[in-house]
Amino acid sequence: DAGVTQSPTHLIKTRGQQVTLRCSPKSGHDTVSWYQQALGQGPQFIFQYYEEEERQRGNFPDRFSGHQFPNYSSELNVNALLLGDSALYLCASSTGTGAASQHFGDGTRLSIL
Amino acid sequence: QKEVEQDPGPLSVPEGAIVSLNCTYSNSAFQYFMWYRQYSRKGPELLMYTYSSGNKEDGRFTAQVDKSSKYISLFIRDSQPSDSATYLCAMSRTLQTGANNLFFGTGTRLTVIP
Repeated sequence: DAGVTQSPTHLIKTRGQQVTLRCSPKSGHDTVSWYQQALGQGPQFIFQYYEEEERQRGNFPDRFSGHQFPNYSSELNVNALLLGDSALYLCASSTGTGAASQHFGDGTRLSIL
Repeated sequence: QKEVEQDPGPLSVPEGAIVSLNCTYSNSAFQYFMWYRQYSRKGPELLMYTYSSGNKEDGRFTAQVDKSSKYISLFIRDSQPSDSATYLCAMSRTLQTGANNLFFGTGTRLTVIP
């Protein structure tokens, strides 16, 4: 039973560039949430997708956008990258019924030069 | 003030010790409380999950929630070197999709010395 998978594992970009991160949820899960974890900090909620729609959003600018596909996988896009966007980006999956706790992938480590 | 406060440590204990990890929170709407363990270069792994107040035990781990004090704890008995990791508390208002975003503490880095 595959857990949450994320790709790529590590990415290096320069300021001003755009990046796309990908996530496949755990088998049986249909809801995907994205979190940003800065070094030495706890994860912070970015947004959540269910039924291909954004259902809730944290305190992140519009430079952060996402998408969910019919197979429940999801993408996180960040435009106009800033040095402060350097972080571990975590994807968590759960069920739309709310019956399951959120299960996390190992994340994508994004470094901005 | 952050909604969830957690002492970042680091915390070092000898093997076999009892470890106590704690978080406080300010939002009385939180109903669901979790503890995640995060190894270096890995994602958070769910350890314990508690609804409302009370205790929950799972093997060497015990989670306690005191909603009246807005205080949660995780106890690890007979700690092992393999328990060395960062422990994150997390909480949410509901499990319902659209409102179940998690609020995390900073994480406490634990080292168990053989």
